[in-house]
Amino acid sequence: ILNVEQSPQSLHVQEGDSTNFTCSFPSSNFYALHWYRWETAKSPEALFVMTLNGDEKKKGRISATLNTKEGYSYLYIKGSQPEDSATYLCAEETSGSRLTFGEGTQLTVNP
Amino acid sequence: KAGVTQTPRYLIKTRGQQVTLSCSPISGHRSVSWYQQTPGQGLQFLFEYFSETQRNKGNFPGRFSGRQFSNSRSEMNVSTLELGDSALYLCASSVRAPFYEQYFGPGTRLTVT
Repeated sequence: ILNVEQSPQSLHVQEGDSTNFTCSFPSSNFYALHWYRWETAKSPEALFVMTLNGDEKKKGRISATLNTKEGYSYLYIKGSQPEDSATYLCAEETSGSRLTFGEGTQLTVNP
Repeated sequence: KAGVTQTPRYLIKTRGQQVTLSCSPISGHRSVSWYQQTPGQGLQFLFEYFSETQRNKGNFPGRFSGRQFSNSRSEMNVSTLELGDSALYLCASSVRAPFYEQYFGPGTRLTVT
């Protein structure tokens, strides 16, 4: 993997559904993996920063896991709500402070 | 605590001109990074400053430059503007880097005509 890749590109779910997204990264010169949430007309909001293989982080209904050996991270949303609708970005931090972003997963939660 | 602020929020310039964008980080944050977002390209890293020193630079031409002041405020300059420089420019601050969350400002929307 040469770049940070996210899948799927977009996702439409019903309120109450649980969902997950994937972020794949090169994992050479890895420092940390960041997840951000970006709502339309707002600034990207930091969700998690993970550094160690096997890291798991949780914030409310959102959680994330990290596998640095194989170069992937999963973001999970349990019981999606309409207010979860946003673009979810992951970014690999390399060279201390340089973030390389994926193109994001655009989530739409229908009431 | 006040968030990251960026000025101006919107800017229209003509090809060939130069532009300066400003970013004020969260109080106490010493690292400031700049990103460019264009349709289809996602967020691209421009550069990062820490304690007035540029520590990292992305793959952008020399027309893109920046600096950081002793109060951690940062400016980004683009000279000889091209149509392709039209983008949303975001700055983000963190306490320090690496390993820390970055807090993003609202961005400056630059349109080059």
